[in-house]
Amino acid sequence: EADIYQTPRYLVIGTGKKITLECSQTMGHDKMYWYQQDPGMELHLIHYSYGVNSTEKGDLSSESTVSRIRTEHFPLTLESARPSHTSQYLCASSEYMGARGQETQYFGPGTRLLVL
Amino acid sequence: DAKTTQPNSMESNEEEPVHLPCNHSTISGTDYIHWYRQLPSQGPEYVIHGLTSNVNNRMASLAIAEDRKSSTLILHRATLRDAAVYYCILRRFWVTGTASKLTFGTGTRLQVTL
Repeated sequence: EADIYQTPRYLVIGTGKKITLECSQTMGHDKMYWYQQDPGMELHLIHYSYGVNSTEKGDLSSESTVSRIRTEHFPLTLESARPSHTSQYLCASSEYMGARGQETQYFGPGTRLLVL
Repeated sequence: DAKTTQPNSMESNEEEPVHLPCNHSTISGTDYIHWYRQLPSQGPEYVIHGLTSNVNNRMASLAIAEDRKSSTLILHRATLRDAAVYYCILRRFWVTGTASKLTFGTGTRLQVTL
């Protein structure tokens, strides 16, 4: 059973507010990820991290930023929320599966964000 | 990354086997085939993966064609809890220093009925 947590689960907020979505994992995984998913649509990678002090942008451009100061935490921040940021944000972490570095990603339950 | 093609949706009766197909005609020799599923209102979860040989685990079986251009995820006895979107994903042999990015397509939405 994977131990990866996201808070809040649901967030309704007004335009222009600064928000931080929390993600934490207790498995000691080095690699962590943020995905964005609109209802009924594909997941898109927006940020990832190899380890502490390492962050990279993903395949989908995002106005959000991330930080990785501690192995366990990978928070995502929006400096000024807009209605276009309304979506579900999913955090994941991964571990090695042995031969050839194939990995399993473990996902958190997600944060559903609604910006009014 | 090579692309996968899956049917948009499938239906199954409870307690019956389900075969979820995936085509990946441009797969390369170093691509692994991964399957994840996403239950309603949850994040995706790993199901199974394989390279060339068929694979079994407690959740499912993965049958890989001899030419590797297609694969089939097999749920031996579908239950209502198996209703989810199933994603077939190709992942390259991991390269040192890179992240293990997963590229999700639209997947197959499996409906299970009584």
